[in-house]
Amino acid sequence: QVQLVQSGAEVKKPGASVKVSCKASGYTFSSHYMHWVRQAPGQGLEWMGVINPSGGSTSYAQKFQGRVTMTRDTSTSTVYMELSSLRSEDTAVYYCARVGTSYWGQGTLVTVSS
Amino acid sequence: SYELTQPPSVSVSPGQTARITCSGDALPKKYAYWYQRKSGQAPVLVIYEDTKRPSGIPERFSGSSSGTMATLTISGAQVEDEADYYCYSTDSSGNLVVFGGGTKLTVL
Repeated sequence: QVQLVQSGAEVKKPGASVKVSCKASGYTFSSHYMHWVRQAPGQGLEWMGVINPSGGSTSYAQKFQGRVTMTRDTSTSTVYMELSSLRSEDTAVYYCARVGTSYWGQGTLVTVSS
Repeated sequence: SYELTQPPSVSVSPGQTARITCSGDALPKKYAYWYQRKSGQAPVLVIYEDTKRPSGIPERFSGSSSGTMATLTISGAQVEDEADYYCYSTDSSGNLVVFGGGTKLTVL
């Protein structure tokens, strides 16, 4: 069965970076794009970007351009999302997801606090 | 930047029909998708490509799209359908995904 397993919760200080991982299993990793979506407290779902695991190409939401980097490791079927220059407004649960399906990771809480 | 607009809330009584709308300029050319999100649970896809229902989704869920508006319809809404519903689509280039702001459906 398809599983997306994310890394654990993180607490970061403003200005720092965070890198969240998402390990995929149960399907051909390179055959499906992986998206990153976040949800801040009391807010809706917000799309951050997408990576093509096959070639590594990416597309990012304009809001995160310059601050987000999505990468993948095909040897371990893992995708990564790194967000830099963190601020308090980045406190949210971050999800990897095969958008367009019901396959989502369990979410990773990132808390940005001084 | 491209936006999809949903009403913040919709309320119906059990057994009534709930309609949740999603408006966006690119919807005449791009598909709409709908997720159901219950508290503490992962989102569940209930409609894809405007009108298609994934296997396992009850028949009371249906989707339609006309012009710049897509609609999720729940015919005979049940208490268990209470959730946040999000539409999503892509911008006109097809490269960027956008979620609507979400609609809280209350069934009581």
